[in-house]
Amino acid sequence: NAGVTQTPKFQVLKTGQSMTLQCAQDMNHNSMYWYRQDPGMGLRLIYYSASEGTTDKGEVPNGYNVSRLNKREFSLRLESAAPSQTSVYFCASSEGLAGRDSGANVLTFGAGSRLTVL
Amino acid sequence: GENVEQHPSTLSVQEGDSAVIKCTYSDSASNYFPWYKQELGKRPQLIIDIRSNVGEKKDQRIAVTLNKTAKHFSLHITETQPEDSAVYFCAAGKLTFGKGITLSVRP
Repeated sequence: NAGVTQTPKFQVLKTGQSMTLQCAQDMNHNSMYWYRQDPGMGLRLIYYSASEGTTDKGEVPNGYNVSRLNKREFSLRLESAAPSQTSVYFCASSEGLAGRDSGANVLTFGAGSRLTVL
Repeated sequence: GENVEQHPSTLSVQEGDSAVIKCTYSDSASNYFPWYKQELGKRPQLIIDIRSNVGEKKDQRIAVTLNKTAKHFSLHITETQPEDSAVYFCAAGKLTFGKGITLSVRP
């Protein structure tokens, strides 16, 4: 039982390059999330998905796209990376339905992906 | 949307002392209030949570209290230990997080 698995753990990009962060969970959770963490800014929600085939914008969606491939997988794509996207990215999942104020939304986080854009 | 603020931004205590971290939120309709702990270089993990129909919840050395009228909730850690040193995040509503508080426990 691996929980939430993210790849890659580290990535260095040049400005304008594209890349996809992969996330998979094996807990049969309904909802999945992508957060970014920057010093002094806490955890900010980029996108979330309440179920397969649905995605919604979070607090900071600009410059990102997501895809909920199936119940297990939720990917985050940077089409044209910018230095402002240098950050640590966390994928998370929860049993409950994202977007609801509920105790069923206990988040299980992945180990994080450190992205540097030069 | 929900606005979540944490106070103070850093806190340093002597080992064995108590620590209290406060979180305020803006949406009076929020019903669920978790606290996450993130050790250096690790992922955030839930340590305790509380729902709006409860005023206090305890789990060994940690407790959370909720004041819905004032729209704030607090994390209480008693008999602090060096391994309590970490960043603590509160969240409210649809999982809007505060900016985090760095707790340092001095041996």
